[in-house]
Amino acid sequence: DQQVKQNSPSLSVQEGRISILNCDYTNSMFDYFLWYKKYPAEGPTFLISISSIKDKNEDGRFTVFLNKSAKHLSLHIVPSQPGDSAVYFCAASAISSGSARQLTFGSGTQLTVLP
Amino acid sequence: ETGVTQSPTHLIKTRGQQVTLRCSSQSGHNTVSWYQQALGQGPQFIFQYYREEENGRGNFPPRFSGLQFPNYSSELNVNALELDDSALYLCASSFGTLNTGELFFGEGSRLTVL
Repeated sequence: DQQVKQNSPSLSVQEGRISILNCDYTNSMFDYFLWYKKYPAEGPTFLISISSIKDKNEDGRFTVFLNKSAKHLSLHIVPSQPGDSAVYFCAASAISSGSARQLTFGSGTQLTVLP
Repeated sequence: ETGVTQSPTHLIKTRGQQVTLRCSSQSGHNTVSWYQQALGQGPQFIFQYYREEENGRGNFPPRFSGLQFPNYSSELNVNALELDDSALYLCASSFGTLNTGELFFGEGSRLTVL
């Protein structure tokens, strides 16, 4: 039962153009959504997040959009740069058993930005 | 500021053996979470430790256990290793248990079970 899905395993875009990465979720209990970036041989690094009470959050070149009715979020990167080439994980956050906040990750999208 | 460090980076075990993975949290962080990342998948939550006690657990059997020490470092122990335990094990630290989800991850320990 995949509660967070990233249906595109890979995406290639030209440098300077927009990259759009998509994510769908099923659990209505998720109240925060995050994007992490992962380079080979490194751990995931936090990129940007959005609360479920918002529909947009922007940080420099990165914008995350949330459509709660569709249970869909997307990450826009404008303009895309070769250094953005990495695996991008969508994650959703909810309070789990006890008081732990647990992240549920999608399977990732490999973004390649072509020079 | 010291980031999250994990050891060992790579190890190979045989089925039925036991393994211990170690994690030092980022300075100032008192909460440690462990995740398992199988090949081609996203990380899966194993459990979280806060104040030296397990504070939440994902869908993993009891042979996955952990410890947190007074300096907030942590261990993940896996008994009776199975082939499917082959994965990258990620440790992440944060401050407090109700952090909205921004975790600081180490580079991981890659376990291969033969």
